[in-house]
Amino acid sequence: SYELTQPPSVSVAPGETARIACGGNNIGTKSVHWYQQKPGQAPVLVVYDDSDRPSGIPERFSGSNSGNTATLTISRVEAGDEADYYCQMWDSSSDVVFGGGTKLTVL
Amino acid sequence: EVQLVESGGGLIQPGGSLRLSCAASGFTVSRNYMSWVRQAPGKGLEWVSVIYGGLGTYYADSVKGRFTISRDSSENTLYLQMNSLSAEDTAVYYCARLLPARGIYPPFDYWGQGTLVTVSS
Repeated sequence: SYELTQPPSVSVAPGETARIACGGNNIGTKSVHWYQQKPGQAPVLVVYDDSDRPSGIPERFSGSNSGNTATLTISRVEAGDEADYYCQMWDSSSDVVFGGGTKLTVL
Repeated sequence: EVQLVESGGGLIQPGGSLRLSCAASGFTVSRNYMSWVRQAPGKGLEWVSVIYGGLGTYYADSVKGRFTISRDSSENTLYLQMNSLSAEDTAVYYCARLLPARGIYPPFDYWGQGTLVTVSS
């Protein structure tokens, strides 16, 4: 089955740019979605179809996908962005795959 | 406003059964693709099951043959029947809606708050 690989943790200072990678074989040919999950809360969709943003999500959140890596980029990081982030895609029309998650720490 | 409210979780002994419910408001469950996703304590997200508009259903290998996803149009509610439960099924179970009109690989655009299932003797 398809696997998505994320770094367990990423740390960044306030105001800097955070980049969270999601690796997978030829993932650039797939549509990747990203979720933010804060402690004790349900996940929230922040980027879908590689780079689209749902309404209400700040422009600071963006995404890209090419080759074997999809990337979630958070610009001008704020303390409130501290959370776990998960990438997700469909291996087929009947199989959903999540990455293992990345804990973003704002220093 | 779209809302999803799960219920039915609790403490259950190994080998037991439980049915989770997800009451929806602000949209029609039967006209949307719906899914269950779970999260074991301190772990990541794990997809469990999906139901499509034509009632096609699919399951993760870890629950295939033990879990059944269904919906009730009159109640506008999604269900997950869980049988032969084991400690490995202990998790918060979320129901989620798949973003409409986004092809066959949509994201989950709305999530419930989750309901905790604990399998232990």
